[in-house]
Amino acid sequence: QVQLVQSGAEVKKPGASVEVSCKASGHTVTSYAIHWVRQAPGQRLEWIGCFNAGTTNTKYSQKFQDRVIISRDTSTSILYMQLSSLRSEDTAVYYCANTYCDGDYCSVFDLWGQGTMVTVSS
Amino acid sequence: DIQMTQSPSTLSASVGDRVTITCRASQSISTWLGWYQQKPGKAPKLLIYKASSLDSGVPSRFSGSRSGTEFTLTITSLQPDDFATYYCQQYITSPYTFGQGTKLEIK
Repeated sequence: QVQLVQSGAEVKKPGASVEVSCKASGHTVTSYAIHWVRQAPGQRLEWIGCFNAGTTNTKYSQKFQDRVIISRDTSTSILYMQLSSLRSEDTAVYYCANTYCDGDYCSVFDLWGQGTMVTVSS
Repeated sequence: DIQMTQSPSTLSASVGDRVTITCRASQSISTWLGWYQQKPGKAPKLLIYKASSLDSGVPSRFSGSRSGTEFTLTITSLQPDDFATYYCQQYITSPYTFGQGTKLEIK
């Protein structure tokens, strides 16, 4: 049974960086990807990017491409999403989500982490 | 980017009612569409994938269908646990985009 457990809430000042982690366990195959999605208060879900464990490729939304880095620590199966140059509009709940992939083609997000609240405030 | 437009934004209904939520894609996404349920303070939960396939453990009162680029989520015989916000999502290509959500409220 796949499980995704995220790190705790963060409070950051504008201009700072934040790193959110997602520990993935229970995968029996390497053909999966972990996505990062955020939800600002009262807003729709917004895809940030993903790490494909099968291809070891990362893919980013053009909106975040210049200030996001998604990485994985292979030894611990922990995925990281680092967002830099934070502004108040980045205040949101950040989720990691699991999909299964065939090469670069990935399926629906079948399991989500519990979410991490990131607050950006001076 | 593919735009996903849901309607209505809010839906008021009673226990036992049948409701339908619509999601329209700005271009063809074949059947690469998922529906999620989200309750306040919780992560989204997958209900339906590939437009009409029910995820494991999801009650059969939930169903999905497709007509071209228009997709529907139908809930028959609403239960108290069904009052939540519902999102559609296309996953044919990145960026993987979501609808704006439909809040299902108790009438």
